[in-house]
Amino acid sequence: QSVLTQPPSVSGAPGQRVTISCTGSSSNIGAPYDVQWYQQLPGAAPKLLIYGDTDRPSGVPDRFSGSKSGTSASLAISGLQAEDEADYYCQSYDSSLSAYVFGTGTRVTVL
Amino acid sequence: QVQLQESGPGLVKASETLSLTCTVSGGSISNYYWSWIRHPPGKGLEWIGYVYYSGSTNSNPSLKSRVTISVLTSKNQFSLKLSSVTAADTAVYYCARGYSSSWFNTWGQGTLVTVSS
Repeated sequence: QSVLTQPPSVSGAPGQRVTISCTGSSSNIGAPYDVQWYQQLPGAAPKLLIYGDTDRPSGVPDRFSGSKSGTSASLAISGLQAEDEADYYCQSYDSSLSAYVFGTGTRVTVL
Repeated sequence: QVQLQESGPGLVKASETLSLTCTVSGGSISNYYWSWIRHPPGKGLEWIGYVYYSGSTNSNPSLKSRVTISVLTSKNQFSLKLSSVTAADTAVYYCARGYSSSWFNTWGQGTLVTVSS
C-alpha cells in the first residue's frame, strides 16, 4: 500500500483543465522532499513530466504544471487533449521507509 | 539520444534468482544513477534500488536482503539480481536513468518477469 495517495480517476473534456492530487505526509512530501510526476501511456514506459516539484524536462509541453503545498502536491493539465489520456503517478522520497515511493496512480480520461 | 533495454528470462521458478541486465546505448554510463523499478500487475510502481556509475548502491529496505545491483562500465550495462523469488515478484521490471538519485529521467520499455511455482 502506497504512502502517496492519488484519486483513481479524473476526466475532462478536450480543452478543459484537470488537476490530480497527491497526498502524503510529513515523512515525504511535507519533509519536504521533491515531488515528481510521470505519465504512462497505454503499453508504454513511464515518462518524466515534472521534477523538483515544478520543473519540466525539455520537450514537455507547458500545459503540464506542478505545485506543492504542505503534505500535498498537484499536477495540472490545461488545454486537455486526447493524447493526454494515460495513467499519471507522483513520486517522492519517504524518510520513514528510507525508500523512493510512488503514488497509487490516476487514470485521466478525455471525454 | 540515450536508450535503455532490459533483457533476461521472462519466466523464473519460485525460490530461484531473477537476473536482468539493462544495456545503455547512445550515451555513457558515467555520471548518472541507474535504477530498477517494477510494476506488479494490478499494483503500483515500486522502486527496487539504484547503482551509481562509481558502483555505490542503495536499495529498498523491503527488498534489500534479496537485491544485488551492479554496474559493468566496460559494457555500458548494469544488472539486477533478486534472490528467493515468489509469485509476489511477478511484475514488469523497468531500468531507468537519473541525473539525480531522486528521480528517473529515462526509462527502458520494461520486461515482464513471471514467477512460476
